[in-house]
Amino acid sequence: DAMVIQNPRYQVTQFGKPVTLSCSQTLNHNVMYWYQQKSSQAPKLLFHYYDKDFNNEADTPDNFQSRRPNTSFCFLDIRSPGLGDAAMYLCATSRDWLAGGVEQFFGPGTRLTVL
Amino acid sequence: GESVGLHLPTLSVQEGDNSIINCAYSNSASDYFIWYKQESGKGPQFIIDIRSNMDKRQGQRVTVLLNKTVKHLSLQIAATQPGDSAVYFCAEGINNAGNMLTFGGGTRLMVKP
Repeated sequence: DAMVIQNPRYQVTQFGKPVTLSCSQTLNHNVMYWYQQKSSQAPKLLFHYYDKDFNNEADTPDNFQSRRPNTSFCFLDIRSPGLGDAAMYLCATSRDWLAGGVEQFFGPGTRLTVL
Repeated sequence: GESVGLHLPTLSVQEGDNSIINCAYSNSASDYFIWYKQESGKGPQFIIDIRSNMDKRQGQRVTVLLNKTVKHLSLQIAATQPGDSAVYFCAEGINNAGNMLTFGGGTRLMVKP
């Protein structure tokens, strides 16, 4: 089945130690998104890729970076995790709206713990 | 807009009853609206969407109503089942290159057996 896969599902890191979360998709969608979701809150968009074009949200801290080496893979790098970065990180994909896509397909998320 | 509270509104219903979850959206220029269901420890799952030129859309056991005059969206679930227990988010979007979504605050649905 076509899907959005996130690895690892659970990640523990130490304060200030860089961490990378990965996302892959078999849907061949050209748009990929990274969201941060804290407990009992709605997902908050960090950035998205439209094909290779990177689009950062204005309030996304510089501590968060992303890479998309190809259509299928996208990475979230947290350069110096702080305690406040502990959250669920969700990857999502969608087709271009010109191709009729509006729905975003979400992966299962990676829960990040910062010690 | 995005929820900033620490406590989600909760709707508690009896199994078999109908559920109505409400959402107020912010942007009158939004082109479409989506309801997502999120179970504990999982990513949001698409339920149903509605375009801004519609006021009602039905799916399997679910109906979404859109009232653009008061910027209100509702999700009706018929014959609610224990498997419907989850957090439900509404999201609004504008047709553009990035298909950007703005999520509203969620509602926790608890189904009592």
